[in-house]
Amino acid sequence: TQLLEQSPQFLSIQEGENLTVYCNSSSVFSSLQWYRQEPGEGPVLLVTVVTGGEVKKLKRLTFQFGDARKDSSLHITAAQPGDTGLYLCAGRDDKIIFGKGTRLHILP
Amino acid sequence: SQTIHQWPATLVQPVGSPLSLECTVEGTSNPNLYWYRQAAGRGLQLLFYSVGIGQISSEVPQNLSASRPQDRQFILSSKKLLLSDSGFYLCAWSSTGTGVSPLHFGNGTRLTVT
Repeated sequence: TQLLEQSPQFLSIQEGENLTVYCNSSSVFSSLQWYRQEPGEGPVLLVTVVTGGEVKKLKRLTFQFGDARKDSSLHITAAQPGDTGLYLCAGRDDKIIFGKGTRLHILP
Repeated sequence: SQTIHQWPATLVQPVGSPLSLECTVEGTSNPNLYWYRQAAGRGLQLLFYSVGIGQISSEVPQNLSASRPQDRQFILSSKKLLLSDSGFYLCAWSSTGTGVSPLHFGNGTRLTVT
């Protein structure tokens, strides 16, 4: 059974700080996606990474796919209250497997 | 542009009652369709997915069922709800033919079984 472990489960930090959240698996995925979910809404795609070692930047967010395509990280620089939400990683192969998410809260 | 509609937004149902949640997609043809359940602390659990009309794959054994009567309509049903069926149900679609196509989610239905 493919599993994606996300850490930490919860993170509360001050505005302006940097943070990194992780998504790890023992399985290889053909691609990995990160989504952000606001309360009462469905998740929205942030990025898709496909190649081992790939790094993608989305403004203050930096996503990295591990060389072996088993893990990924999301780094946020100078976090802002608008970054608050549930961050989910999803591994794709023949199926789509979601992690349990990291709930991030940025304090103003 | 493509849109996905899911209703109702919230639902309170007694144990043993039937359930029908509906999801429709507009602006695309032959999408892959999914039903997920999100329980607190358990992430998104894939319940059903469909690659075409009448084609349903079930991921977990349960008292729920799914149907796809039309290309862009996906229905989640139960004949008799259990307390454990409470949760946040999300419908999603993706394009066929590509392994990196994103999932596009509806806004979900919060189901409380009492």
